[in-house]
Amino acid sequence: DGGITQSPKYLFRKEGQNVTLSCEQNLNHDAMYWYRQDPGQGLRLIYYSQIVNDFQKGDIAEGYSVSREKKESFPLTVTSAQKNPTAFYLCASSIGPGVDYGYTFGSGTRLTVV
Amino acid sequence: QKEVEQNSGPLSVPEGAIASLNCTYSDRGSQSFFWYRQYSGKSPELIMFIYSNGDKEDGRFTAQLNKASQYVSLLIRDSQPSDSATYLCAVESGGYNKLIFGAGTRLAVHP
Repeated sequence: DGGITQSPKYLFRKEGQNVTLSCEQNLNHDAMYWYRQDPGQGLRLIYYSQIVNDFQKGDIAEGYSVSREKKESFPLTVTSAQKNPTAFYLCASSIGPGVDYGYTFGSGTRLTVV
Repeated sequence: QKEVEQNSGPLSVPEGAIASLNCTYSDRGSQSFFWYRQYSGKSPELIMFIYSNGDKEDGRFTAQLNKASQYVSLLIRDSQPSDSATYLCAVESGGYNKLIFGAGTRLAVHP
């Protein structure tokens, strides 16, 4: 079955540590996105990518980095510069520009600072 | 900053009633509108999308769009306890299939 796989489901980060969240899709979608969700709030866009080797900052990119070396993969690194990283992180994909059927989401990664 | 506004709720309705969820948006250039359902601790799942003014029906769900008023709504007929969730309105903004999400409306359907 096609879908998006996020791992790990739960992640604990120590102060000053970088961590990487994995996102893999086998839907053959061109576009991929990372969102952050805080309790009682909507989703906020961190980074997005429309094509391999290209990505753009979203509304809250500071303290995060991404790469898009393969169509299937869009990992997100939460760096030590992100001062409040505790949140629910969601990866999504869509077919691409010009075909707008919304997103397919992964199951999410819950990150906690310890 | 483009915005999508929703009443946070909770919206409480009895089983079998119609639940009406509303959303307003600020970007007049938006062309695509989506409703997602999110159960607690889970990821959002797409339930409806609408592009044209008017109504679009899918089973118990009806999406309504009024671009002149910058307003989109979701009606859920014959509400069931299993419909209890947070409903997120999302609006395409800025091209490239970028979606701006509202904070969501929590719906509680009680027996």
